[in-house]
Amino acid sequence: GAGVSQSPRYKVAKRGQDVALRCDPISGHVSLFWYQQALGQGPEFLTYFQNEAQLDKSGLPSDRFFAERPEGSVSTLKIQRTQQEDSAVYLCASSSRQGYNSPLHFGNGTRLTVT
Amino acid sequence: AQSVTQLDSHVSVSEGTPVLLRCNYSSSYSPSLFWYVQHPNKGLQLLLKYTSAATLVKGINGFEAEFKKSETSFHLTKPSAHMSDAAEYFCVVSFGGSQGNLIFGKGTKLSVKP
Repeated sequence: GAGVSQSPRYKVAKRGQDVALRCDPISGHVSLFWYQQALGQGPEFLTYFQNEAQLDKSGLPSDRFFAERPEGSVSTLKIQRTQQEDSAVYLCASSSRQGYNSPLHFGNGTRLTVT
Repeated sequence: AQSVTQLDSHVSVSEGTPVLLRCNYSSSYSPSLFWYVQHPNKGLQLLLKYTSAATLVKGINGFEAEFKKSETSFHLTKPSAHMSDAAEYFCVVSFGGSQGNLIFGKGTKLSVKP
């Protein structure tokens, strides 16, 4: 079956530009997560949705980062006025159940390069 | 504070020899523990998870991990490495509470020589 789909796979932005990254979770998955993975590092939590509700956004690094999931399925991560330190792979993951020990299904990520 | 440490950033083995990837955690709670694998330009894939049932957990592709509370460790092993095992491996700890409360290790890159 279809997994988690992220688009675009690669994005190059000039510093100061706004970008929008899309995540299509597995159909019917309740939980959706965004992670940021810098080069040579493990993923770091950004934000979490349960259906359309954003229950945790404690990992967003600044107010330039904004995420939404208006209908409880597709999610968009928006970064305003991009900076070079925003260059990373942005991973989306979904889970069918609530509960902190539910395994996550990850997309292939969007590699953002800010020049 | 909770944390997870992967003791080796890079491990190199020969095909057919055993694999050991080390992971230690620090927690005042009983955590849930996972190992994920990431092949180049691919998403993370769950290998196995421990959630307070059997301490020896078997995963996909012949991998297994043993939870040792006294040593706060959750090392990943495989008896015989295959070329297709070459990838980045992440030890992940969940300490409960928020859904987003997953902490990833920095990863161990496994190389397999023919």
